[in-house]
Amino acid sequence: QKEVEQDPGPLSVPEGAIVSLNCTYSNSAFQYFMWYRQYSRKGPELLMYTYSSGNKEDGRFTAQVDKSSKYISLFIRDSQPSDSATYLCAMSDGDSSYKLIFGSGTRLLVRP
Amino acid sequence: DTGVSQDPRHKITKRGQNVTFRCDPISEHNRLYWYRQTLGQGPEFLTYFQNEAQLEKSRLLSDRFSAERPKGSFSTLEIQRTEQGDSAMYLCASSAPGAGTDTQYFGPGTRLTVL
Repeated sequence: QKEVEQDPGPLSVPEGAIVSLNCTYSNSAFQYFMWYRQYSRKGPELLMYTYSSGNKEDGRFTAQVDKSSKYISLFIRDSQPSDSATYLCAMSDGDSSYKLIFGSGTRLLVRP
Repeated sequence: DTGVSQDPRHKITKRGQNVTFRCDPISEHNRLYWYRQTLGQGPEFLTYFQNEAQLEKSRLLSDRFSAERPKGSFSTLEIQRTEQGDSAMYLCASSAPGAGTDTQYFGPGTRLTVL
């Protein structure tokens, strides 16, 4: 079993919809959580960074972390066709190692 | 452009050849990371430097792989005797000093194809 599980999709939604992307993890030592967006054949681009549990909002994006359930989410409001990409969750414990453990990514398609 | 840069962007080689990739981190970022990403998967950690010291290596980094960061600035990743299974996107990331995990910024990657 992978340390971080993420539904690969694809997830197809109409323009303007609210998108919910999720990851589960098994390592209770993880305390830093990130979401990256990756366009085809490009490097990952950092979207959101969250420490420990709670919510964080940045424009149309909201990240949620529930450490008790080992579950993180990214919500995208008013989705746009330009949001079509692969979304990767990543996490680390930040104490024994700074390396990021990634999910396999969810491919999102926003239809005009 | 002050982001992470990688060179080359694409590399096609024949099995058994050696290849070397270069990564230039964001200026003043003292941590530098290498990851590998195959199709349909997330990036997998390979190794990490703090300044010129290589502090962590993944078990994925076989003895055919070697990474250096000689002066704490740019880094190189060399793969010797390439195999078809080495075909992947090799990503470099850098981060600034800070407590706990710092935010890692990725370069565009080097796509390696081994024929």
